[in-house]
Amino acid sequence: NAGVTQTPKFRVLKTGQSMTLLCAQDMNHEYMYWYRQDPGMGLRLIHYSVGEGTTAKGEVPDGYNVSRLKKQNFLLGLESAAPSQTSVYFCASSYVGGSVLSYNEQFFGPGTRLTVL
Amino acid sequence: AQSVSQHNHHVILSEAASLELGCNYSYGGTVNLFWYVQYPGQHLQLLLKYFSGDPLVKGIKGFEAEFIKSKFSFNLRKPSVQWSDTAEYFCAVSKDSSYKLIFGSGTRLLVRP
Repeated sequence: NAGVTQTPKFRVLKTGQSMTLLCAQDMNHEYMYWYRQDPGMGLRLIHYSVGEGTTAKGEVPDGYNVSRLKKQNFLLGLESAAPSQTSVYFCASSYVGGSVLSYNEQFFGPGTRLTVL
Repeated sequence: AQSVSQHNHHVILSEAASLELGCNYSYGGTVNLFWYVQYPGQHLQLLLKYFSGDPLVKGIKGFEAEFIKSKFSFNLRKPSVQWSDTAEYFCAVSKDSSYKLIFGSGTRLLVRP
């Protein structure tokens, strides 16, 4: 199993450009998440999805959109990039149900480092 | 709003020293608690987790954490650190049955050989 994969690994954008980050998981997880990681701030939840075709806002959703057209994929879009969106973006996925010991455990992808100039 | 506090932002230790990283949360209900580790250039990996039962939880690589409900704390410990433990450590909390995690700001650990 590849687990959670993210593409691309690095990207540099100019202010105003758009891009889409792709997250894929092969663990048949229902829930998927997008976080951003900034120095001294830990991980902050941008958007999440509790199933195919559903999305919801997290803690810092402004400037981002998401789509979950297939269960295994979760896309994060930036319509008009801003320097404040320079960050490392992590995707994660988790189970629903199953053993209580695995409940809420999130599995993370390797991250995408995005720089907006 | 629920918050997770990690008081030590940077910790520097020599090999074989003991480690304790603090984590406090502000929510008073039922919580699930996690410690994740991020090695340089890598993604987050789960170190250990607490759901219920024995408040002393053992994880991978010799790490353990103790849940003290009265203190709203879940501190991470390791009796003897190694250079390979150099990483950033994140405490995370989910409340009740929520699938959403709230992360602390992280602690960067540097272990000197």
